Amino acid sequence: AQTVTQSQPEMSVQEAETVTLSCTYDTSENNYYLFWYKQPPSRQMILVIRQEAYKQQNATENRFSVNFQKAAKSFSLKISDSQLGDTAMYFCAFMKHVDSGTYKYIFGTGTRLKVLA
Amino acid sequence: NAGVTQTPKFQVLKTGQSMTLQCAQDMNHEYMSWYRQDPGMGLRLIHYSVGAGITDQGEVPNGYNVSRSTTEDFPLRLLSAAPSQTSVYFCASSYEGVGSAGELFFGEGSRLTVL
Repeated sequence: AQTVTQSQPEMSVQEAETVTLSCTYDTSENNYYLFWYKQPPSRQMILVIRQEAYKQQNATENRFSVNFQKAAKSFSLKISDSQLGDTAMYFCAFMKHVDSGTYKYIFGTGTRLKVLA
Repeated sequence: NAGVTQTPKFQVLKTGQSMTLQCAQDMNHEYMSWYRQDPGMGLRLIHYSVGAGITDQGEVPNGYNVSRSTTEDFPLRLLSAAPSQTSVYFCASSYEGVGSAGELFFGEGSRLTVL
């Protein structure tokens, strides 16, 4: 069975600094996707970044980038130039296709990030 | 473009009462799902659907029913609410096709308290 572990329940970072959120997962699958979702205090979850396991290149979205280490089953999120609006709960998620149109998602327990002014 | 819309956003129930959480999406997504979010436990899948007329159980289905009569709507029913069902509920949809990596599109969540 797949598992996703986020070992940092809470983190804080100074505005404009860089922070890295950790995520490890366990799977025997070879084809899968990994995601980071952000849940701000408003509660709605939004996608931050995604990574296809078959791609060796690390995904990047503006100030957000990942360090994907497939052999180590590690998928960390780096936030550069942190902004107050980055304050949120961040969830790491693993996804695989079960069959046509069906997905299996496993979420981590989340890391609460606070950006300090 | 509304995306995924959930109602109500807040609800207080007494033990034994029933209610329905509504979820609608306007993106023509085939896949829809319900999660519950509890402190320290992340998101856990309750039920999901891969299209109209097709539903299946997730990780924590007990005490909940779903139906999918249309592509757009996926209501979650609590038949006899229990305090253990106090949680925040999220509806999420997704699609399979060009440009999709299976990302979930979430509603704003519904906070349910059962007394």
